[in-house]
Amino acid sequence: QVQLQQWGAGLLKPSETLSLTCAVYGGSFSGYYWSWIRQPPGKGLEWIGEINHSGSTNYNPSLKSRVTISVDTSKNQFSLKLSSVTAADTAVYYCALLEGARGYWGQGTLVTVSS
Amino acid sequence: SSELTQDPAVSVALGQTVRITCQGDSLRSYYASWYQQKPGQAPVLVIYGKNNRPSGIPDRFSGSSSGNTASLTITGAQAEDEADYYCNSRDIWVVFGGGTKLTVL
Repeated sequence: QVQLQQWGAGLLKPSETLSLTCAVYGGSFSGYYWSWIRQPPGKGLEWIGEINHSGSTNYNPSLKSRVTISVDTSKNQFSLKLSSVTAADTAVYYCALLEGARGYWGQGTLVTVSS
Repeated sequence: SSELTQDPAVSVALGQTVRITCQGDSLRSYYASWYQQKPGQAPVLVIYGKNNRPSGIPDRFSGSSSGNTASLTITGAQAEDEADYYCNSRDIWVVFGGGTKLTVL
């Protein structure tokens, strides 16, 4: 059973960079694309982007200019950086594996952007 | 385009059958997955592929697809099925529907 555990700063000021990391336990890390997803308070899910073990990435076009997803295969971890945050980036951020039967999610991290 | 459209809210009487739909061009080529999300919790996969349930998901949940529409059916809805449901697919990139809030009356 794959488990995802995520961490990172929960309170940011406008213009700062959001940084989150997700560790993958159990199962195989290679062969899949690992995603970041966010959910503003009271709203729906928004896919941010994904990365595989080789470092190949795909990003949501609406966020692409501010997003960087990276991978550390030695630790089975992948990370999200979102630059120049504003209040509109306030959301619960999830890491996840969205591959057929493998629909595994991290516990979520509430990131609040406030001055 | 990579968009998935869901009805914002649906209600069902306890024990009755309800269908939640998801429309989008990508569904002509890719199966949808369905996620259930309860307040304060991470989403949980309930249906994937043509009509497959992960281990532990009750068999009252089923999925189907026709043309550009995917459907999640709950046969004999229970109180614990009250939740938000999201469809998910992949076209050029990954996309989620806007979600459907299911109320069990």
